[in-house]
Amino acid sequence: AQSVSQHNHHVILSEAASLELGCNYSYGGTVNLFWYVQYPGQHLQLLLKYFSGDPLVKGIKGFEAEFIKSKFSFNLRKPSVQWSDTAEYFCAVRGGGGADGLTFGKGTHLIIQP
Amino acid sequence: DTAVSQTPKYLVTQMGNDKSIKCEQNLGHDTMYWYKQDSKKFLKIMFSYNNKELIINETVPNRFSPKSPDKAHLNLHINSLELGDSAVYFCASSPGTYTGELFFGEGSRLTVL
Repeated sequence: AQSVSQHNHHVILSEAASLELGCNYSYGGTVNLFWYVQYPGQHLQLLLKYFSGDPLVKGIKGFEAEFIKSKFSFNLRKPSVQWSDTAEYFCAVRGGGGADGLTFGKGTHLIIQP
Repeated sequence: DTAVSQTPKYLVTQMGNDKSIKCEQNLGHDTMYWYKQDSKKFLKIMFSYNNKELIINETVPNRFSPKSPDKAHLNLHINSLELGDSAVYFCASSPGTYTGELFFGEGSRLTVL
C-alpha cells in the first residue's frame, strides 16, 4: 500500500518568510499528487495538483510544488507567506495498488506570526 | 451553490445511539467518498462509491454502513455509536474512479458522549 510522509508536523514562520513543506510518497508507479489546505474550521481545498507534464506546478495563492520522481517527493513552496496562510496543509497521492481515493499525509500545521 | 454539501454540520449524541450523516454533490461526479478526520487531523478513507456501487471499504467497523440512493448522494449511517467514533467526517466527490482531484464537503463534526 502506498503511504505519504510529511516531515514537518508544526511549522512557525514570520510573515514574508519563505516556506517549503516536505512531502514524500512510497509508490513507484504513476501517481497523481496533490496539496490541499484546510483553514481553521473549514473543509479541504485544493491548492495544486500534478498529473503529468511540467514537474513544477503552480497553484492558487502563490503556492507552487515541484515533483521530483527520483526522490519520490512533491514539496510545497511559497516565496513569501502571509498571516492568512495559517492553516493545515496536506499532501496526498492517488495511484498504485488498484485502490481509488487519495492517501493523505498526516498534515503540517503552519502558523504565520504577524 | 455549494458543490458538496453535508448535513448536519454538528452532531452531539450519546454512546449507543444510531445516527446518520447525509451528503449530496451537484457536480455531476460519478464517484463519492467518506473520509474520517481524527483529533490529530489525520484523514483516512472509509468508503468509495462509483455510480452507486461500493468500490472501497477500508477496515471500518460494520457499525458504519454507507448508502447511495443515486450517484449524487452518499449517506453514512452509524449504529451503536462509541466514544472513538468522535471525529469530523468529510464527504467528497471526484469525476470518476482513479481520476481527478477530490472536492470536499464542509465536514460533519460528530461528538459522542
